[in-house]
Amino acid sequence: GNSVTQMQGQVTLSEEEFLFINCTYSTTGYPTLFWYVQYPGEGPQLLLKVTTANNKGSSRGFEATYDKGTTSFHLQKASVQESDSAVYYCVLGDDTEGADRLTFGKGTQLIIQP
Amino acid sequence: EAAVTQSPRNKVAVTGGKVTLSCNQTNNHNNMYWYRQDTGHGLRLIHYSYGAGSTEKGDIPDGYKASRPSQENFSLILELATPSQTSVYFCASGADSGNTLYFGEGSRLIVV
Repeated sequence: GNSVTQMQGQVTLSEEEFLFINCTYSTTGYPTLFWYVQYPGEGPQLLLKVTTANNKGSSRGFEATYDKGTTSFHLQKASVQESDSAVYYCVLGDDTEGADRLTFGKGTQLIIQP
Repeated sequence: EAAVTQSPRNKVAVTGGKVTLSCNQTNNHNNMYWYRQDTGHGLRLIHYSYGAGSTEKGDIPDGYKASRPSQENFSLILELATPSQTSVYFCASGADSGNTLYFGEGSRLIVV
C-alpha cells in the first residue's frame, strides 16, 4: 500500500532561517503529492500540490519538488517567519479507487522563535 | 463562512455509549471523508463516501460506521465507544479526484 515518511517530528528555527522538511513516499501508482498545513485549533489546509512527477509546486514562499527518482517531496522555504509556526503534513493522493484518498505523514511541528 | 462544519466540537462519552459525529458541507462536493488525528500517527482515514447513499471503508474502519443521507451530510457513528477512540476527528469534503480536500475544524472526543 501507499506510505509517507516524515522523520522530523519537530523543527525549531529562528526567524529568517532556512527551512527544510524531509518527506519520502512509497506507491505503486501515479500519485499527486501535497503539503498541508495545520494551525492551532484549525483543520489542515492545502499549502501546495504537484500532480506531475519532476515538477515543482510553490505557495507563500514554500517550495517542493516531486522527485520520482528519489521518491521525495521535501518542503523548503528560504526565510521563515514567526507566522509559519504550525504542523506540516506531507500527503500522498491516490485516485485508483475513484475517490481521492489521502495518505498523511505523521506531521512535522515547526516552531519559529522570534 | 465555513464550508465544512462539524458538531459537536467537543464531546465526553462513557465507555459503551453511542456517539454520533455530524458533518455538513456547503461546497456541493461529491466526496466526503472522516479522519482521526492522534499524536505520532498524523491523520488516518476511517470512512469516506462518493455521494449520497454511499459509504466506503478507509484504512481504520473497525469500531466505526458511517452514514451519508444527503450530498451535504456525512455522519460518523460509534455504536459502542471505547477509550481507544479518544481522539480528534476531522471531516473533509472534496470534488472530483485530484482536487483539494477542505477540512472542518475538528471534533474532540474523550471516552471515559
